[in-house]
Amino acid sequence: QSALAQPASVSGSPGQSITISCTGSSSDVDNYDYVSWYQQHPGKAPKVMIYDVSNRPSGVSNRFSGSKSGYTASLTISGLQAEDEADYYCSSYTSSSTYVFGTGTKVTVL
Amino acid sequence: QITLKESGPTLVKPTQTLTLTCTFSGFSLSTSGVGVGWIRQPPGKALEWLALIYWNGDKRYSPSLKSSLTITKDTSKNQVVLTMTNVDPVDTATYYCAHRRRNGYNWAGWFDPWGQGTLVTVSS
Repeated sequence: QSALAQPASVSGSPGQSITISCTGSSSDVDNYDYVSWYQQHPGKAPKVMIYDVSNRPSGVSNRFSGSKSGYTASLTISGLQAEDEADYYCSSYTSSSTYVFGTGTKVTVL
Repeated sequence: QITLKESGPTLVKPTQTLTLTCTFSGFSLSTSGVGVGWIRQPPGKALEWLALIYWNGDKRYSPSLKSSLTITKDTSKNQVVLTMTNVDPVDTATYYCAHRRRNGYNWAGWFDPWGQGTLVTVSS
């Protein structure tokens, strides 16, 4: 299984909105609503921000939202804040009953 | 509160077998629907999913590493063990274990929370 494709980096100014894409295939993203997104600050373990495409765990800011269309899932961060600067990874369940992660996106707050 | 912690050697020689233990609390791996997975991250690189074991003993492995991985559970000790045979320097990474959650009775889900990770270096 190939890693899901994400842009290497995305940047935005405080208060702006940014969107991170996650492109898979018919074996994963396109056929399953089991896409999750993780935030990872340097030296820290990943933390789930979105699960099952668009659900937000309790405690996660409503500035984070997720969606999916066909082979591509997206994570949108609105009202960008300095604390959002981190690496973000998508993940999907696959037709092999396994999971696959994305290539990762570094978010920079300008 | 669910917590997980990884333990194992910090340095392993090439061709040796790596054994990592995930010790958890706050849930039981005998409860229906529960799973524990392993994910690794080479320095400066992306996350890579490795393996997952479910409450019923079902196991899933990354297709690219399936021949070298074994995942087992000890429900009485609240532990999950991952072994990787014939390690190579490219296996140098931080290894994480994580609790697999799911929504209702869905057959798939997400990983939350994660352990702090343990850095394993493969070098002679």
